[in-house]
Amino acid sequence: QVQLVQSGAEVKKPGASVKVSCEASGYSLSGHALHWVRQAPGQRLEWMGWINGGNGNTKYSQNFQDRVTFTRDTSANTAYLELSSLRSEDTAVYYCARDNNAFWGAILIDYMDVWGEGTTVTVSS
Amino acid sequence: DIQLTQSPSFLSASVGDRVTLTCRASQDISGHLAWYQQKPGKAPNLLIYGVSTLQSGVPSRFSGSGSGTEFTLTISSLQPEDFATYYCHQIQSYPRTFGQGTKVEV
Repeated sequence: QVQLVQSGAEVKKPGASVKVSCEASGYSLSGHALHWVRQAPGQRLEWMGWINGGNGNTKYSQNFQDRVTFTRDTSANTAYLELSSLRSEDTAVYYCARDNNAFWGAILIDYMDVWGEGTTVTVSS
Repeated sequence: DIQLTQSPSFLSASVGDRVTLTCRASQDISGHLAWYQQKPGKAPNLLIYGVSTLQSGVPSRFSGSGSGTEFTLTISSLQPEDFATYYCHQIQSYPRTFGQGTKVEV
């Protein structure tokens, strides 16, 4: 069964960093890209970026460009998100999601087909 | 950034109703649109990708259509488990963006 299992809830103080893990099972992390998406309380989903599971290349949303780092450990089949300089507005549920793709006519499109259960990060003094 | 605007934001409906949700993009996104369902406290669940392709395991009462900048998600006969929030998502360009959601409630 393909699934993504995330690490547990975190409570951090402003200015601190947080690292969230996402372990893939039922498939090889190196065969797919992995997205990170967050959702603040009562807000829409917000895409943070993705990491290529094979070569480790990353693409970050400019909203997080200077504060976020995605890494992966293929031997552990696990990906990581690290967010630094935390502020109260970073309080959210953080999700990892597997990228998959298909042809739409002659165009290759992608989509997020498997999601982790989410990790709640609370930033509070 | 491509803005996605969903309408309505809230939809009151009953079991058995046919409901249609709309997603408008601020520019042409071709076929790069997906729909997700999210229930409270849960991760989003992929329903449709490529505008109209049903994800494996998703009931056939869900369907998607549209092109360019206007897209719809239709539920042909609403079931009790369909009361949830629905998000559209564009993968045409970076940053990937989501609509604000449509909450389908009783």
